[in-house]
Amino acid sequence: EAGVTQSPTHLIKTRGQQATLRCSPISGHTSVYWYQQALGLGLQFLLWYDEGEERNRGNFPPRFSGRQFPNYSSELNVNALELEDSALYLCASSLDVTIGETQYFGPGTRLLVL
Amino acid sequence: AQSVTQLDSQVPVFEEAPVELRCNYSSSVSVYLFWYVQYPNQGLQLLLKYLSGSTLVESINGFEAEFNKSQTSFHLRKPSVHISDTAEYFCAVRGVTGGGNKLTFGTGTQLKVEL
Repeated sequence: EAGVTQSPTHLIKTRGQQATLRCSPISGHTSVYWYQQALGLGLQFLLWYDEGEERNRGNFPPRFSGRQFPNYSSELNVNALELEDSALYLCASSLDVTIGETQYFGPGTRLLVL
Repeated sequence: AQSVTQLDSQVPVFEEAPVELRCNYSSSVSVYLFWYVQYPNQGLQLLLKYLSGSTLVESINGFEAEFNKSQTSFHLRKPSVHISDTAEYFCAVRGVTGGGNKLTFGTGTQLKVEL
């Protein structure tokens, strides 16, 4: 069974540009989560999507946004990129919203903002 | 809201020695607890989890963790480590109720196994 996949693996952008990161969940998983792993800040929860709806949002500015498609894949968009947005962005998926369902992580997209 | 404390940022240990990685949490509600491992330049892999039932949980590669509710801890142990265990280990917590399904992570412990 294929795991969570993310694309691209690496992304280089300049300040002010927009970045789009993509995630495909494990087959059958309906929930997708996004986390940011930045140097010195650890792993921070960004967004949670389930059944196409945004269910929860972490403490990030509105320029971080995303969506979930009917096939449950997801996109994370970061507008007006800043240098501090450089980080590893991890996507995770889980079977459904039942409490206790484990989140399985993809390999991440490493975003570098110059 | 939940928080997780991993007191040790780095733990050096010789191969075949035992190791304990400490994790303490804080929460106003009951929690689920997880340990994830991250190898260099890779994503997170689930190592083990506590949801309910037996407080001692084990992974397939010899790690175990024990949920201690009174001490709000979920320490990770392995009786004999291998070079291939070198990685960063993250403890995470999620509230049984509320919290919006998000995982709250500790800052990670870098385990370095030496010959």
